[in-house]
Amino acid sequence: EDKVVQSPLSLVVHEGDTVTLNCSYEVTNFRSLLWYKQEKKAPTFLFMLTSSGIEKKSGRLSSILDKKELFSILNITATQTGDSAIYLCAVELNRDDKIIFGKGTRLHILP
Amino acid sequence: NAGVTQTPKFQVLKTGQSMTLQCAQDMNHNSMYWYRQDPGMGLRLIYYSASEGTTDKGEVPNGYNVSRLNKREFSLRLESAAPSQTSVYFCASNTGGLNSPLHFGNGTRLTVT
Repeated sequence: EDKVVQSPLSLVVHEGDTVTLNCSYEVTNFRSLLWYKQEKKAPTFLFMLTSSGIEKKSGRLSSILDKKELFSILNITATQTGDSAIYLCAVELNRDDKIIFGKGTRLHILP
Repeated sequence: NAGVTQTPKFQVLKTGQSMTLQCAQDMNHNSMYWYRQDPGMGLRLIYYSASEGTTDKGEVPNGYNVSRLNKREFSLRLESAAPSQTSVYFCASNTGGLNSPLHFGNGTRLTVT
């Protein structure tokens, strides 16, 4: 059975801290891994990763994929209260374009 | 651009009632998806459609049916609603090829009493 596992499920840190969110997967026919941020409504897209070892970066956020060990990490440096959200990891399969999500990491940044 | 539009935004049903959640996208996307989101459970895939005329079961299809009416529209039907179907439902779409992230609608909050 295809699955995506995120850890931790919940995290509370102080503003300015650096956080690392984890996503591991066991799927057949991997195509890509995606990270989303969800605040009040719909998830918004952060990164798509298809190749191992190539870091994607956007401001204070960065992510990398390891296809050998089947995991990805999302780093957020110098966190701000606006980073408080649920961060979702998803894996897209080559077979039938199926996309499945992990349970998410709920991140709360204290001022 | 409207993107992905879901209706209604909120709905309350009694157990046993039926309803259809509507979803339409104006991005000429091939693939469309229905997810449900419950506290602490992330997004769980109900059904998806890789192209017009095809639909496939996801992780939690029981109690639901779908119709890919045309390329733009993908509806989700609850024939006999149950309290366990109380959830937030998201529709999403993408082109279906490489480098194609999902675009989400704003969700439908459904309560079944």
